[in-house]
Amino acid sequence: NAGVTQTPKFQVLKTGQSMTLQCAQDMNHNSMYWYRQDPGMGLRLIYYSASEGTTDKGEVPNGYNVSRLNKREFSLRLESAAPSQTSVYFCASSEALQLRISNEKLFFGSGTQLSVL
Amino acid sequence: EDKVVQSPLSLVVHEGDTVTLNCSYEVTNFRSLLWYKQEKKAPTFLFMLTSSGIEKKSGRLSSILDKKELFSILNITATQTGDSAIYLCAVRHRDDKIIFGKGTRLHILP
Repeated sequence: NAGVTQTPKFQVLKTGQSMTLQCAQDMNHNSMYWYRQDPGMGLRLIYYSASEGTTDKGEVPNGYNVSRLNKREFSLRLESAAPSQTSVYFCASSEALQLRISNEKLFFGSGTQLSVL
Repeated sequence: EDKVVQSPLSLVVHEGDTVTLNCSYEVTNFRSLLWYKQEKKAPTFLFMLTSSGIEKKSGRLSSILDKKELFSILNITATQTGDSAIYLCAVRHRDDKIIFGKGTRLHILP
């Protein structure tokens, strides 16, 4: 019963390095999300994907790219990491709209603590 | 621009008190409002609200939505130290976008 799996759990980068955060869900959800959480800032939406093959910008997309590789996987890439991207990153997934409204809640991964030096 | 505003941002009360957390929103094409509790790491689901005036309850927690005035409240009665957490409110659009407020940090004193 894996749910949403994120890797890695921790990562330290130097300024300018690149990396990809991986996310996979096994609940057959259509919608997937990437959030970042900074102290006192709640969760801010970076990108989301309402279905396989589509991606849309969220509130804070600058400096990030995403790929919805297939229905299960949604990756987040930092091309040139900056100290301002030090944060906790959460991936989440949800049932698609208008299928089963009771399942429209977000299911979260356990998070990635990223530090950029 | 879409907004979800939570208040207060932090709250300290004594065990046994009742607290009310507020969430107001301005979003286009509203679909549903979600409440989450966050303790150590990932948020955990509390409620999803789609209709005005229908209270959702789970033990000592309850929540209600007012779609006319664009707000929701989360009530916790007879608080316990285990209720100490960040409480997050989120709004889902009809296009599937889900945005969160900054959260209310609740601390319960024994």
